Amino acid sequence: DAGVIQSPRHEVTEMGQEVTLRCKPISGHNSLFWYRQTMMRGLELLIYFNNNVPIDDSGMPEDRFSAKMPNASFSTLKIQPSEPRDSAVYFCASSSGGKIDTQYFGPGTRLTVL
Amino acid sequence: GENVEQHPSTLSVQEGDSAVIKCTYSDSASNYFPWYKQELGKRPQLIIDIRSNVGEKKDQRIAVTLNKTAKHFSLHITETQPEDSAVYFCAALATGTASKLTFGTGTRLQVTL
Repeated sequence: DAGVIQSPRHEVTEMGQEVTLRCKPISGHNSLFWYRQTMMRGLELLIYFNNNVPIDDSGMPEDRFSAKMPNASFSTLKIQPSEPRDSAVYFCASSSGGKIDTQYFGPGTRLTVL
Repeated sequence: GENVEQHPSTLSVQEGDSAVIKCTYSDSASNYFPWYKQELGKRPQLIIDIRSNVGEKKDQRIAVTLNKTAKHFSLHITETQPEDSAVYFCAALATGTASKLTFGTGTRLQVTL
């Protein structure tokens, strides 16, 4: 099993640019989570999908952030326009039984917005 | 919503000693408490979890205890080794479609030789 796959692993962009982060969950998992990790705020859940449907997006910081899951094997997190305060490591995680089941994290995308 | 507090923020122990990390939570409906280990530059990985129907769970050198009345849970690592050095996160979850896994702020454990 390849585990959760994220791309890119590193992204450096300039303020105002659009950023798209990608995630492929573990095959057979029906829940997908996007997290953001910073030194100041720790690990924060941004959005949670179950069976490709967004269930809880209350953690999405503002309208500049959007997430989609067009099918069971792919999700994107988009930031448009990006700002320096968006710099963080973004993790995608998946699980097979909803939030109560073990969440497996991807390697993360380190985003730097200049 | 749920609030999880974790202490201490840093912990240094000598190899072979025990380490204890403590967390408290606010939502009495929380019933799932995982612990994650994150090595520098790596992803968080689940090391142990406990559900509210048990008070203790053990896996080799790692154990977790849960006190639902006091709303706190702890991670115990015995016979610590240098490879245990990492940041450890506790988390709490209450079932329900509006709930989310809330993480503590992390404990940086350093095991010295």
